[in-house]
Amino acid sequence: GAVVSQHPSRVICKSGTSVKIECRSLDFQATTMFWYRQFPKKSLMLMATSNEGSKATYEQGVEKDKFLINHASLTLSTLTVTSAHPEDSSFYICSATQGFEETQYFGPGTRLLVL
Amino acid sequence: GESVGLHLPTLSVQEGDNSIINCAYSNSASDYFIWYKQESGKGPQFIIDIRSNMDKRQGQRVTVLLNKTVKHLSLQIAATQPGDSAVYFCAETAQGAQKLVFGQGTRLTINP
Repeated sequence: GAVVSQHPSRVICKSGTSVKIECRSLDFQATTMFWYRQFPKKSLMLMATSNEGSKATYEQGVEKDKFLINHASLTLSTLTVTSAHPEDSSFYICSATQGFEETQYFGPGTRLLVL
Repeated sequence: GESVGLHLPTLSVQEGDNSIINCAYSNSASDYFIWYKQESGKGPQFIIDIRSNMDKRQGQRVTVLLNKTVKHLSLQIAATQPGDSAVYFCAETAQGAQKLVFGQGTRLTINP
């Protein structure tokens, strides 16, 4: 149980375009979803916390207009990188929690490369 | 701010030996801790967790030890196998806080 998927797993786009990444909880309802960014050989950096039906809470330094998060249902959250630039290239990972549990279950990640 | 873990170290062990991965945390209010395993190009995978009312918890081939006095967490892997090669992250959170704070990670490599 507690399986989280992400789509796409890998995406290459041109600078200036927008990219949408989906995060789905496959076998449970996710009350909260999280979006992380990870640079090579570094730890996970939390970008935002998303609760179903409400606005995401962004971490300090993360541009909410740049990284749009939508959590429209209990099984789906999306992250849209708007007007992507090469510096947005990274590994983006989502996670989800069930009910009031603290354990986060992670998706497989999405590697974004902006040319 | 609060931080967990050390700079990313590397641990090399012989196949079949036991591995011990360490993590320090600084938030004394943290009461829930998780170890994750991350293989190259993949998302973190839950291994084992422990609450602050315990000092030891065992799983299949893994044991987590918690020393609240010195704010130290360790992950022991018994009879290390090639498939254990990965980066291991500790994470901590306090009751009521939704966020996990991750350590810097330890890369475990297995020598045949």
